[in-house]
Amino acid sequence: NAGVTQTPKFQVLKTGQSMTLQCAQDMNHNSMYWYRQDPGMGLRLIYYSASEGTTDKGEVPNGYNVSRLNKREFSLRLESAAPSQTSVYFCASSQGLAGIDTQYFGPGTRLTVL
Amino acid sequence: GENVEQHPSTLSVQEGDSAVIKCTYSDSASNYFPWYKQELGKGPQLIIDIRSNVGEKKDQRIAVTLNKTAKHFSLHITETQPEDSAVYFCAASRGNTPLVFGKGTRLSVIA
Repeated sequence: NAGVTQTPKFQVLKTGQSMTLQCAQDMNHNSMYWYRQDPGMGLRLIYYSASEGTTDKGEVPNGYNVSRLNKREFSLRLESAAPSQTSVYFCASSQGLAGIDTQYFGPGTRLTVL
Repeated sequence: GENVEQHPSTLSVQEGDSAVIKCTYSDSASNYFPWYKQELGKGPQLIIDIRSNVGEKKDQRIAVTLNKTAKHFSLHITETQPEDSAVYFCAASRGNTPLVFGKGTRLSVIA
């Protein structure tokens, strides 16, 4: 089992460019999440998908869109990147919502927006 | 919504000493309190959790205590080792809502 995988590992964008961060899990989990981690700010939830076919906003959704492509895959899209979106992005998954079941994290994507 | 505060933000201890990290939460309906450890360059990993019907839980050198009346919970690491050096996050949830994380504590264990 690979667990939660994320691509790419590193990315540099110019302001205004768009990109999609990919996430996949092979644990047959129902729920998936996208977080961003900034120094001194902890982990902040961007969007989550409680089950296939549903998505909900988290604490910091502005500037992002998500797609739950199928049960395995949950992508995060930046339509017009801004320097404020420079961060480390983590995808995670859990069997049920993370208040009930253990949440497993991917290795992260380090994004720099110039 | 839920707000989780975590202290201290950095903590240095001598190898073999104990380390304590404290968190407070605001939502009295929260009933699940996990702790995650993040090593350098990796994603966070669950190390221990506690539910509101339990006051204390222990797993080898790690223990978590919960005081529902005061709305705070703590992580205790005894006999610290260099491999305990990492960033630790507490979190809280009602159970049917996503986790809300604290801002993290960077623990350094000095050999």
